[in-house]
Amino acid sequence: GAVVSQHPSWVICKSGTSVKIECRSLDFQATTMFWYRQFPKQSLMLMATSNEGSKATYEQGVEKDKFLINHASLTLSTLTVTSAHPEDSSFYICSATGHANTEAFFGQGTRLTVV
Amino acid sequence: DAKTTQPTSMDCAEGRAANLPCNHSTISGNEYVYWYRQIHSQGPQYIIHGLKNNETNEMASLIITEDRKSSTLILPHATLRDTAVYYCIVRPLIKAAGNKLTFGGGTRVLVKP
Repeated sequence: GAVVSQHPSWVICKSGTSVKIECRSLDFQATTMFWYRQFPKQSLMLMATSNEGSKATYEQGVEKDKFLINHASLTLSTLTVTSAHPEDSSFYICSATGHANTEAFFGQGTRLTVV
Repeated sequence: DAKTTQPTSMDCAEGRAANLPCNHSTISGNEYVYWYRQIHSQGPQYIIHGLKNNETNEMASLIITEDRKSSTLILPHATLRDTAVYYCIVRPLIKAAGNKLTFGGGTRVLVKP
């Protein structure tokens, strides 16, 4: 299957700082990327959907000013957690799909710990 | 909201077939059944999908009932590495932009030696 790479795999940051997570499609053009968040022992919750070159669509209850999403190219989307707080500590996962794909491919996830 | 119902957990023996059920009684005519799995601390992995015919690939088989209200994922020879949470998802074929995967609780499968 197609490869989606996330970076970093894990990050620890201080409360109040911002953290950027990258999601890259390595062998296909990702027209749409999705960002999920997963708390311990819970399922994945969709945060937002981003299409290349346009603004992201956020799910209800997700603050767009706190979780900044950029999808400037067909192979890269970034999620920036601004002014992070301990309650933002979670496992963040991206997925991507392109015109030729019938399924979405997922990155390996980024574990964010805010201290 | 997820449109599927799965058992919370199940155990199976290494080397035996694992049969994972999923109910999707409100599935629409244009919706496919997708299966993904998530091994601990990793991103989900695509397994298989189908519309109404049974499907098989190198990972698993998917059996969909004639009325399409339920399906079963079959792992023919479970290994310890198949221990994961398995998600059954119904959705239109992913080609249109904006089609998203909505995850329910999934089934936590533990393969035992």
